[in-house]
Amino acid sequence: EPEVTQTPSHQVTQMGQEVILRCVPISNHLYFYWYRQILGQKVEFLVSFYNNEISEKSEIFDDQFSVERPDGSNFTLKIRSTKLEDSAMYFCASMGGANTEAFFGQGTRLTVV
Amino acid sequence: EDQVTQSPEALRLQEGESSSLNCSYTVSGLRGLFWYRQDPGKGPEFLFTLYSAGEEKEKERLKATLTKKESFLHITAPKPEDSATYLCAVQARGGFKTIFGAGTRLFVKA
Repeated sequence: EPEVTQTPSHQVTQMGQEVILRCVPISNHLYFYWYRQILGQKVEFLVSFYNNEISEKSEIFDDQFSVERPDGSNFTLKIRSTKLEDSAMYFCASMGGANTEAFFGQGTRLTVV
Repeated sequence: EDQVTQSPEALRLQEGESSSLNCSYTVSGLRGLFWYRQDPGKGPEFLFTLYSAGEEKEKERLKATLTKKESFLHITAPKPEDSATYLCAVQARGGFKTIFGAGTRLFVKA
């Protein structure tokens, strides 16, 4: 069964450092998303990406965040200068079409120390 | 503002004891309402999409229904392996953002 793959599963970084979280969406999917979930809180939308550009972003997704689809398979989330409050699970998701379900990866646990 | 509220926050059932989870939503034109299951430390796992009031979908012991203001996830004769957090989410027409509720933590005791 096709699945969304995220790496690494856990990343520990120093405050102020840059991190890149990586995702391989399902191969024929067209819509890509990043979400985050702070421990014990709701899943929060960060950004959606379609047709090689950001289609929508939340207030959380400020200038410290960026996304890229550098090739036909990878989808990355970069945080330029991490803060303690960026510590969370980050989930990548992909959808085959606008009215279809989103498939989530298993997440990357980011810990900023 | 688009919003999703789930109740109860937590639900403890005996094996075989059927019940329902509620999801109330406010959205400016519903594109779709989604139910997911999330196990601890894992990503949400898709269960159902509902698009219009009156729609119902079933999968094993789960049945999801939708009205203009809320959705219910009915669990019939649950088993311990149904223990998880159940998430409800909505997407508005014309947008790409998915708004999640806080979830209902379900515990099923054997």
